[in-house]
Amino acid sequence: DAGVTQSPTHLIKTRGQHVTLRCSPISGHKSVSWYQQVLGQGPQFIFQYYEKEERGRGNFPDRFSARQFPNYSSELNVNALLLGDSALYLCASSPIARQGYTFGSGTRLTVV
Amino acid sequence: GEDVEQSLFLSVREGDSSVINCTYTDSSSTYLYWYKQEPGAGLQLLTYIFSNMDMKQDQRLTVLLNKKDKHLSLRIADTQTGDSAIYFCAEIARGSTLGRLYFGRGTQLTVWP
Repeated sequence: DAGVTQSPTHLIKTRGQHVTLRCSPISGHKSVSWYQQVLGQGPQFIFQYYEKEERGRGNFPDRFSARQFPNYSSELNVNALLLGDSALYLCASSPIARQGYTFGSGTRLTVV
Repeated sequence: GEDVEQSLFLSVREGDSSVINCTYTDSSSTYLYWYKQEPGAGLQLLTYIFSNMDMKQDQRLTVLLNKKDKHLSLRIADTQTGDSAIYFCAEIARGSTLGRLYFGRGTQLTVWP
């Protein structure tokens, strides 16, 4: 079974640009969450989607948005990139909300 | 559920036991998790414990939960050099946004041969 897959694995963007990160959950998992992990910190919750609906949003600005598709894959979009958006972005999927979440390997975003 | 505290560093000799500690603030937490992160990698779920349990054992891993003190620990028996990684404690608070995990800053475990 394939795990949670994220693409791309690494990305370098310039300040002010826009970025789209992609996530494919484990087959059968309907819940997808996004986290931001800045170097030296624990992951911080950005969004959760369950059955294609947004079920939760963390304390992030409106520059961050996401959506979930009918096949349960998800995209995270970040507009007007800032240097502080440089981080590892992690996607996690779960069959049912609150069960153990399986994380992907993440996308390393560097903003220069 | 926003304040999960962990000590930042732990060093042990190969073959010894490691104990990684975590305190959390939300007494209504439902699930508590331990994740492992190796350099440059994502998070690997090691184990989780439901809040109505006191202990859970899974091979070399033992999780202890003290609900009165809001203290969670992860014991790794016969620690190996491959166990060197960052270990995160995380909780889901009862009534919180579905699927919102609150993480500590992580404990860097270094295992010396």
